[in-house]
Amino acid sequence: QKEVEQNSGPLSVPEGAIASLNCTYSDRGSQSFFWYRQYSGKSPELIMFIYSNGDKEDGRFTAQLNKASQYVSLLIRDSQPSDSATYLCAVNKNSGGYQKVTFGTGTKLQVIP
Amino acid sequence: EAGVAQSPRYKIIEKRQSVAFWCNPISGHATLYWYQQILGQGPKLLIQFQNNGVVDDSQLPKDRFSAERLKGVDSTLKIQPAKLEDSAVYLCASSLARGVGEKLFFGSGTQLSVL
Repeated sequence: QKEVEQNSGPLSVPEGAIASLNCTYSDRGSQSFFWYRQYSGKSPELIMFIYSNGDKEDGRFTAQLNKASQYVSLLIRDSQPSDSATYLCAVNKNSGGYQKVTFGTGTKLQVIP
Repeated sequence: EAGVAQSPRYKIIEKRQSVAFWCNPISGHATLYWYQQILGQGPKLLIQFQNNGVVDDSQLPKDRFSAERLKGVDSTLKIQPAKLEDSAVYLCASSLARGVGEKLFFGSGTQLSVL
């Protein structure tokens, strides 16, 4: 079982729709959760992070965390063509005194104009 | 604030040759990471430094890869000899290392092609 699992996609949504990206993780000791966006040929950039169960909203982005189900999601409202990218889920835990960050394989999102 | 600097941006070598990548993290960031990202995959951690010391190199192919971090600042990653399967983007990232929930800041990466 992979430590962090994502559907590779592509996930295609029409412009203006809500895009829903999902991620599951295997280690119950995981403590914090991140969503990075990676445009083709570019490096990942952080867009959202969440530590506690529930929802966290930032503009058009909402991160949702359910530790009991070991599930993290990212909702993008009013999707724009500029949101087309690969979204990487990353999971962080304290491991022997240092922070271990593990990435999923990413979900490719295509927003159709 | 200056970001994470990496060089070179691109490198093409033949198999069995050697190559080195350089990274300068954000000033004050104690933790430095080297990730390998193969096309279509997520970043895979190769090695993680906390200040001068290595805290995780469990996925580093030590027969051919080596890395060092000088005086807790700059870092170099070397591959010798390179194999075809080493073709990937090598990403350097840094973080403050102040507790759980470290945000990683990435450099622009080095795209390596092994022919």
